[in-house]
Amino acid sequence: GDSVTQTEGPVTLSEGTSLTVNCSYETKQYPTLFWYVQYPGEGPQLLFKVPKANEKGSNRGFEATYNKEATSFHLQKASVQESDSAVYYCALTPNYGNEKITFGAGTKLTIKP
Amino acid sequence: GPKVLQIPSHQIIDMGQMVTLNCDPVSNHLYFYWYKQILGQQMEFLVNFYNGKVMEKSKLFKDQFSVERPDGSYFTLKIQPTALEDSAVYFCASRPGRRSGNTLYFGEGSRLIVV
Repeated sequence: GDSVTQTEGPVTLSEGTSLTVNCSYETKQYPTLFWYVQYPGEGPQLLFKVPKANEKGSNRGFEATYNKEATSFHLQKASVQESDSAVYYCALTPNYGNEKITFGAGTKLTIKP
Repeated sequence: GPKVLQIPSHQIIDMGQMVTLNCDPVSNHLYFYWYKQILGQQMEFLVNFYNGKVMEKSKLFKDQFSVERPDGSYFTLKIQPTALEDSAVYFCASRPGRRSGNTLYFGEGSRLIVV
């Protein structure tokens, strides 16, 4: 079945430094890739999604490129802020067929001022 | 943006009792999901539901679990009887029909404590 593997947390960074959270996936189907963010006490919410290979998604300074050859979708941000502290989930769903969305284990990010 | 509402937000229940978690999905959404998150751990898929039927369920969806959406009202997760290991936050999610997008919208969770 489908699987998503991402950087094991927790990750702690200082404000203003750069961020990379690795995400790799396995699927036999043609997927849409997602990054979700979960703030404390809330449900996950969509950060952005990319339905097509070799395209880039971005939101709030975060970005990721759908790399079909490498089966990767790494999350990056050039300069993190304290408000970025949250859990980040990489996820995929097939564009055709079943409706299941597969999430990675999540990466807890803490940004220190 | 679209909102998924979950009721109750918190519930404490005695082991062996029944509990029903209610979800009011986004209007006009067609696919419904439940996820379970034990404190400090990852979110795990339980079940998805479409057109009145369970489409897929995980190993975590024990025989004591059931879901339904009678007459288009709340999408419910019922646990009967509850066990200590059912203590977790349960997230409901919904998404539009296949042609309308595949983004999943989550509620804020129902925290269940079984004592």
